[in-house]
Amino acid sequence: GAVVSQHPSWVICKSGTSVKIECRSLDFQATTMFWYRQFPKQSLMLMATSNEGSKATYEQGVEKDKFLINHASLTLSTLTVTSAHPEDSSFYICSALTRRGIYNEQFFGPGTRLTVL
Amino acid sequence: AQSVTQLDSQVPVFEEAPVELRCNYSSSVSVYLFWYVQYPNQGLQLLLKYLSGSTLVKGINGFEAEFNKSQTSFHLRKPSVHISDTAEYFCAVTLPLPGSARQLTFGSGTQLTVLP
Repeated sequence: GAVVSQHPSWVICKSGTSVKIECRSLDFQATTMFWYRQFPKQSLMLMATSNEGSKATYEQGVEKDKFLINHASLTLSTLTVTSAHPEDSSFYICSALTRRGIYNEQFFGPGTRLTVL
Repeated sequence: AQSVTQLDSQVPVFEEAPVELRCNYSSSVSVYLFWYVQYPNQGLQLLLKYLSGSTLVKGINGFEAEFNKSQTSFHLRKPSVHISDTAEYFCAVTLPLPGSARQLTFGSGTQLTVLP
């Protein structure tokens, strides 16, 4: 149980276009999902916390108009990179939160590789 | 605020040798501790976690970690590694506050490379 999927697994787009990445919890409901960004050979950087039915909470330095997050249902959160540029190329990983005993555990998706040409 | 330091960015080791990946944390309050593994172009998989109780925690794939409060450490160990253990390993912490979504703070990662 507790499987999280991401779609697409990789995407290549032209500079100036927008790209949407989906994050789904397949066998559980998640009121909270997280979006991370990972550059090569680096750790995960939290971009935003996505809460179902409310606005996302962005980390300092993350442009909310650039990275649009929509958590429309208890099993789906989407990240849209608007007007993508080469510097937005990165590995994007989502996670979904669910209760596990005494604490809330994050389950991670497989990631989406975005390349902007 | 919490922080995590992984002292070694790269650890090469020969197959069947033991390995230890070091993790130290900083926090003014108690934390939950985690080790995750990431294979190339994949998401993170939980290896093990420490919430409370026994300080020696056993996880998947033969890994274990020991929580040392006095040294604020949570080092990951495996007595005999395999080629398939080659991956990036991340140590992470979170606050043990019930009923709330808690963010994970990750270390910078350690690349374990198992050599034949």
